[in-house]
Amino acid sequence: AQSVTQLDSHVSVSEGTPVLLRCNYSSSYSPSLFWYVQHPNKGLQLLLKYTSAATLVKGINGFEAEFKKSETSFHLTKPSAHMSDAAEYFCVVSDAGGGNKLTFGTGTQLKVEL
Amino acid sequence: KAGVTQTPRYLIKTRGQQVTLSCSPISGHRSVSWYQQTPGQGLQFLFEYFSETQRNKGNFPGRFSGRQFSNSRSEMNVSTLELGDSALYLCASSLRVGDTEAFFGQGTRLTVV
Repeated sequence: AQSVTQLDSHVSVSEGTPVLLRCNYSSSYSPSLFWYVQHPNKGLQLLLKYTSAATLVKGINGFEAEFKKSETSFHLTKPSAHMSDAAEYFCVVSDAGGGNKLTFGTGTQLKVEL
Repeated sequence: KAGVTQTPRYLIKTRGQQVTLSCSPISGHRSVSWYQQTPGQGLQFLFEYFSETQRNKGNFPGRFSGRQFSNSRSEMNVSTLELGDSALYLCASSLRVGDTEAFFGQGTRLTVV
């Protein structure tokens, strides 16, 4: 079965500094991977997705992620954090059977300080 | 166009009662999935529907059930509520099966007392 592991439960950065949220995946096939963001009391918003096209994926709000098969990683980065980026971020892998089932990581809470 | 609509947004129920949650997907989307989010277990898949048929089911007891109507709207039902069922229930809408993009509603916050 496919799974994702988010390596940090909490990350704290200063505004204007780079963001790195780490995710490793486990899959016996070429997976579809996603990053979602959840602001307090809100639903989940898709930041970006990887579906076997370009390995460097650009998303919304300046976020991007790189798929590295050799390292089974899909880390999320942003060059410069903004206060509004404070939220919980989820790394997600889709169902191998072609369905729409998503398997979520445990989440990384990003804190942005002045 | 309108997003995914979940009703109600908040609900308080007593142990032993049953509850029905509703999800209206984005217009034209035919696949609806449900997830439970709790602080302890995180986000867990409940079930997936497409064209009124359940395609996939997560590892939840039979007290959790769902259905999808011909207009793609979906409901989930939880019977004999337990305290541990307190959670945020999220619905996701996709255009079709195998679609890689899911759009989430804001969720229904269920509190069981």
